[in-house]
Amino acid sequence: AQSVTQPDIHITVSEGASLELRCNYSYGATPYLFWYVQSPGQGLQLLLKYFSGDTLVQGIKGFEAEFKRSQSSFNLRKPSVHWSDAAEYFCAVGGLAGGSYIPTFGRGTSLIVHP
Amino acid sequence: DSGVTQTPKHLITATGQRVTLRCSPRSGDLSVYWYQQSLDQGLQFLIHYYNGEERAKGNILERFSAQQFPDLHSELNLSSLELGDSALYFCASSVDGTGIYEQYFGPGTRLTVT
Repeated sequence: AQSVTQPDIHITVSEGASLELRCNYSYGATPYLFWYVQSPGQGLQLLLKYFSGDTLVQGIKGFEAEFKRSQSSFNLRKPSVHWSDAAEYFCAVGGLAGGSYIPTFGRGTSLIVHP
Repeated sequence: DSGVTQTPKHLITATGQRVTLRCSPRSGDLSVYWYQQSLDQGLQFLIHYYNGEERAKGNILERFSAQQFPDLHSELNLSSLELGDSALYFCASSVDGTGIYEQYFGPGTRLTVT
């Protein structure tokens, strides 16, 4: 069975600083990988996804993620954080079930942005 | 706004009761997924429906059931409620049944069991 580990429960950065959120996955085949963001009181919104091809994936809101098969990682990065980026971030790996890919989510990383 | 609607927003009920959560997918989306988010378990997949048919089941209790109707809206029924069922329940919709395309999440229903 697939699994996702987000080692950092909380991360605090200053506005304007760079950001990297870590994600490690376990999956037997080529993974489908996702990053979602959840703002307080909201549902999840997809930031980016990786299925195949270029291992550096660009997403919305200036985020990018790099798939590293050798490290089983899919870390999320942003060069300059804005206060509005404060939210919960979830990494997910899609595992095949019933003919469709069902995401297994990590426990999330809470991003706190200091002014 | 994702285009996915969920009702009600909040639900408070007592142990042993039964509730129904409703989800309307985005126009044109054929798949509906249900998730439970709690502090204990995190975000967990419950069940997936595609065009009216059950496609995949996750960690869904036997006390829980779901269906997707011909107009593609879906309902999640929770019965014999326990305190531990208190959680945020999300539905998400997607254009097809592969899981490859983006899932659009609704705002969730917060269930409190007292």
